[in-house]
Amino acid sequence: GENVEQHPSTLSVQEGDSAVIKCTYSDSASNYFPWYKQELGKGPQLIIDIRSNVGEKKDQRIAVTLNKTAKHFSLHITETQPEDSAVYFCAASVWGGAQKLVFGQGTRLTINP
Amino acid sequence: DTAVSQTPKYLVTQMGNDKSIKCEQNLGHDTMYWYKQDSKKFLKIMFSYNNKELIINETVPNRFSPKSPDKAHLNLHINSLELGDSAVYFCASSQGWGGGEQFFGPGTRLTVL
Repeated sequence: GENVEQHPSTLSVQEGDSAVIKCTYSDSASNYFPWYKQELGKGPQLIIDIRSNVGEKKDQRIAVTLNKTAKHFSLHITETQPEDSAVYFCAASVWGGAQKLVFGQGTRLTINP
Repeated sequence: DTAVSQTPKYLVTQMGNDKSIKCEQNLGHDTMYWYKQDSKKFLKIMFSYNNKELIINETVPNRFSPKSPDKAHLNLHINSLELGDSAVYFCASSQGWGGGEQFFGPGTRLTVL
């Protein structure tokens, strides 16, 4: 089955700097890669996703890149703000099948003012 | 308006007891999920229902029994609770079962003493 590895487990950056979180996946059949943000005491919330027919996707300050050959994808957050502090999860699944999202271990991102 | 709601938010109980967690979504989605998030924040799918039909059943002890009375509700009943069942349980929903954004509830923190 699918296995998703996420790094780093914790990340601390200065406000205004960029943050990058990386994930690798094992199942070459996976073709849908969402990123979720979880704030303290809340459920995860989708912030951006990408399908395997696209190499990069951007939404304002966040972007995701996908390298299918290497089976890895990354989340990039630019101009970080204190409200970006949260736990971020990557996930992988097969689009079109019963959507079984396999999550990475999570990255606790702290933005220092 | 709350999209995905869960009750109760906190549940503290003794080993061996039976408890239920309820979930309701008002998004008109036809697919619902139960996830378990352990103390290390690892998020893992347990079950998924599409139009009241079980479509994903991960390796979960049969003490856990989901029930979907209609496509807006998915409840989780747990028999003979064990210490290891302590976790945060999230309900989620999505439109369709082939892929797309999953909307998570606020979670139920279960503590087994």
